[in-house]
Amino acid sequence: EPEVTQTPSHQVTQMGQEVILRCVPISNHLYFYWYRQILGQKVEFLVSFYNNEISEKSEIFDDQFSVERPDGSNFTLKIRSTKLEDSAMYFCASLGQGGNEQFFGPGTRLTVL
Amino acid sequence: RKEVEQDPGPFNVPEGATVAFNCTYSNSASQSFFWYRQDCRKEPKLLMSVYSSGNEDGRFTAQLNRASQYISLLIRDSKLSDSATYLCVVANTDKLIFGTGTRLQVFP
Repeated sequence: EPEVTQTPSHQVTQMGQEVILRCVPISNHLYFYWYRQILGQKVEFLVSFYNNEISEKSEIFDDQFSVERPDGSNFTLKIRSTKLEDSAMYFCASLGQGGNEQFFGPGTRLTVL
Repeated sequence: RKEVEQDPGPFNVPEGATVAFNCTYSNSASQSFFWYRQDCRKEPKLLMSVYSSGNEDGRFTAQLNRASQYISLLIRDSKLSDSATYLCVVANTDKLIFGTGTRLQVFP
């Protein structure tokens, strides 16, 4: 069964460093998303991406965040200068044309020290 | 008011019990409704979509009341493997808005 994959599974970084979280969505999907979940809290929407551009973003997704689809398979989330409060689980999701189920990847746990 | 509100639980029930979860949402323009399941430290997985007419999938029944902005999930004949957090999710666009989840623990 096709699945969304994410790497790395756990990333530890120092405050102020840049991190790139990687996702490989399901191959024929066209809509891509990033969500985050701070430990013990709810899952929160960050950004949606379609046709090589951002279609919607939340207040959390400020200038420190960016997304890219550098080739036909990867979808990346970059945090330019990490803060302690960026520590969370980051989930990538993808959606097929005409579908209503977003498939989530297993997540990357980001720890900012 | 929270966009999606759920009782966090936990609900501790014996195997075989019937348990019901409720959820309310604040945005009357919401168009799509879901129940997701999340196991500890794992990704959310779709359990079922929720339709106005109500829908059933095996032991799971979901109901939507648009007038009251209320969604429910009923689990019959609970299994140990049903232990998880159940997330109420609504969407207006394709952006999913999650509730905090209701924790279910089924014991033998």
